[in-house]
Amino acid sequence: QQQVKQSPQSLIVQKGGISIINCAYENTAFDYFPWYQQFPGKGPALLIAIRPDVSEKKEGRFTISFNKSAKQFSLHIMDSQPGDSATYFCAASTLPYSTLTFGKGTMLLVSP
Amino acid sequence: DAGVIQSPRHEVTEMGQEVTLRCKLISGHNSLFWYRQTMMRGLELLIYFNNNVPIDDSGMPEDRFSAKMPNASFSTLKIQPSEPRDSAVYFCASSLRPGSAGGLNEQFFGPGTRLTVL
Repeated sequence: QQQVKQSPQSLIVQKGGISIINCAYENTAFDYFPWYQQFPGKGPALLIAIRPDVSEKKEGRFTISFNKSAKQFSLHIMDSQPGDSATYFCAASTLPYSTLTFGKGTMLLVSP
Repeated sequence: DAGVIQSPRHEVTEMGQEVTLRCKLISGHNSLFWYRQTMMRGLELLIYFNNNVPIDDSGMPEDRFSAKMPNASFSTLKIQPSEPRDSAVYFCASSLRPGSAGGLNEQFFGPGTRLTVL
C-alpha cells in the first residue's frame, strides 16, 4: 500500500515559471514532511521540510504548502531555473523518529 | 567533511554471481538505511539499522539479500545469487537519531551503486 502519492510524474516548465508538485498521504500519524531533490547520477538531498503545525514554509524560491485537513502538501518552485531540473521526492514520517516513506518522484525539466 | 561513501559506483555482473555493495557512514551518524531505486518502483527502503542493530528489514525482497553492519561506520549489502531483476541503483543513507543530538530525520544519501545483472 503506497502511503504517499505524488503527482505529476513529470513536469516541464519554462524558465521563470512556477513549478508545482503535489503529494497526498494517508497515515494521519505522519508529522514530518520533507522534500528531497535528486540530480542525475547523485543521491537525493534534503531540500526543505515542514511540520504540520504550520501551513507554509518558505526558503528562497522554494515553498511548501501544507493542508492538514486534506492530508496534502505541495512544493512550489518560484522563478524556476534550468538548474532546478531534477527529480523531486516528497516524503513523510512520524517523529521523534521513524523511517521516511517516499513518493515515487517527479521529474522536473525547466526549459531555457 | 566527507559525505556517505559507497563502492563500487558501478557493478556489472552475470546472473548467479554474488554481489557486495559497500557503504561508509558519515562520522558520528548512528542510523543507516539501504534503498533501491528503479523507474517502476521509485525509492524503496530495504533495511534500516540503528546503532549497528537491524531495526526494520521488511523491505528486503527475499533471502538472497542480506545486510550487515560489522562496525558503527560501515555496512555491506550482499545479493547472492544475483538475478537480472535486481538491476537498480542502490543507495545507502545515514542520519543522526534526533534523540541523540537533535536534528529531524534528515538522511544523507551516498552517490549510489548502479548494479546491472546480465
